[in-house]
Amino acid sequence: NAGVTQTPKFRILKIGQSMTLQCAQDMNHNYMYWYRQDPGMGLKLIYYSVGAGITDKGEVPNGYNVSRSTTEDFPLRLELAAPSQTSVYFCASSPRGPSYTDTQYFGPGTRLTVL
Amino acid sequence: GQNIDQPTEMTATEGAIVQINCTYQTSGFNGLFWYQQHAGEAPTFLSYNVLDGLEEKGRFSSFLSRSKGYSYLLLKELQMKDSASYLCAVLDSNYQLIWGAGTKLIIKP
Repeated sequence: NAGVTQTPKFRILKIGQSMTLQCAQDMNHNYMYWYRQDPGMGLKLIYYSVGAGITDKGEVPNGYNVSRSTTEDFPLRLELAAPSQTSVYFCASSPRGPSYTDTQYFGPGTRLTVL
Repeated sequence: GQNIDQPTEMTATEGAIVQINCTYQTSGFNGLFWYQQHAGEAPTFLSYNVLDGLEEKGRFSSFLSRSKGYSYLLLKELQMKDSASYLCAVLDSNYQLIWGAGTKLIIKP
């Protein structure tokens, strides 16, 4: 099992550009999450999904969009990139939802810089 | 508001013991997680506590006191590879995970 994979590893964007961060998992997990991690701050939840076709906002969704057309894939779209979106982005998955207190499995992260 | 506090950085010596504290104020409590994150890598699960007391897993132990809103992670027989950040996260009443900023642990020979 590859677990949770993310591409790209690094990316530099200019202000106003758009891009999609890819995330895939091969563990047949229902739940998937997108977090951002800023220096000196805790992980912040951007969006999450409880299964294919179902997504919901997290704590900091503004400036982002997601879709979940399959169980495996959960891409994160940035529209009109801004310097405030410079961060490390982590995708994670878990077998069931947080109410089951499942461990989350994280991808290796995407380091994004917006200039 | 919801808040999780951890020391920003700690230094310890190889072979020694270190205790990393975490205090929390959240709307409800459904458990507390500790994750380890090496520099430039993803967080990985270490422990989960939902009842008061100490949970031991090899060199790592985690303690919880719900009445005090307090947890600690105890690392024994420190090794250089334990140099990492340690993240405390609490599941609130809505089963949302609230993350602390993490404690960077530096191990010196």
